[in-house]
Amino acid sequence: DSGVTQTPKHLITATGQRVTLRCSPRSGDLSVYWYQQSLDQGLQFLIQYYNGEERAKGNILERFSAQQFPDLHSELNLSSLELGDSALYFCASSVASGLGPNGYTFGSGTRLTVV
Amino acid sequence: EDQVTQSPEALRLQEGESSSLNCSYTVSGLRGLFWYRQDPGKGPEFLFTLYSAGEEKEKERLKATLTKKESFLHITAPKPEDSATYLCAVQGLRSGGYQKVTFGTGTKLQVIP
Repeated sequence: DSGVTQTPKHLITATGQRVTLRCSPRSGDLSVYWYQQSLDQGLQFLIQYYNGEERAKGNILERFSAQQFPDLHSELNLSSLELGDSALYFCASSVASGLGPNGYTFGSGTRLTVV
Repeated sequence: EDQVTQSPEALRLQEGESSSLNCSYTVSGLRGLFWYRQDPGKGPEFLFTLYSAGEEKEKERLKATLTKKESFLHITAPKPEDSATYLCAVQGLRSGGYQKVTFGTGTKLQVIP
């Protein structure tokens, strides 16, 4: 157990629907990162939050949004889902903003299947 | 734009057969190079951080090295439990308050008993 908790583990939904993925960072970590991993691509950075504030955006679609709450857990909202959104979505956390000497700690991911 | 290329895409080894995985990178000001291990259906697990050319890190059967253009992950006498996908990532210069991290697509290693 890495200490980063992601729920749900699996999600199957239809095109056009909206889903929410949840992440609880490792105790003491202030930064949360969201990544998307598809079969034909590596880990693609979506967005980062640090202590409740958005810190950086990557290749995140306008249909996607995220937030980090005062208790530091984070939610990634995916709307108007398309077949191509099917992927593994990972949350990672770190103490500070950016990769420290021990890297990020990743959760076990949420596998999203859009049918 | 920062780029990370890992080779080979897949590698099949007999147990005990040593080999190396390659990570070639181009980055604007390397702040760190990271190796991760990822098992199927799980999140990446941190292995090593390397900061400067010439640096080496070891952990059990794994040894990571770094030059100015590439990093190698050497696997000595691998065992079946070493089977996994190995990911390389680089952290570049800070841009707009964010130290961009770019991941490679990984090398899928299979060790046959």
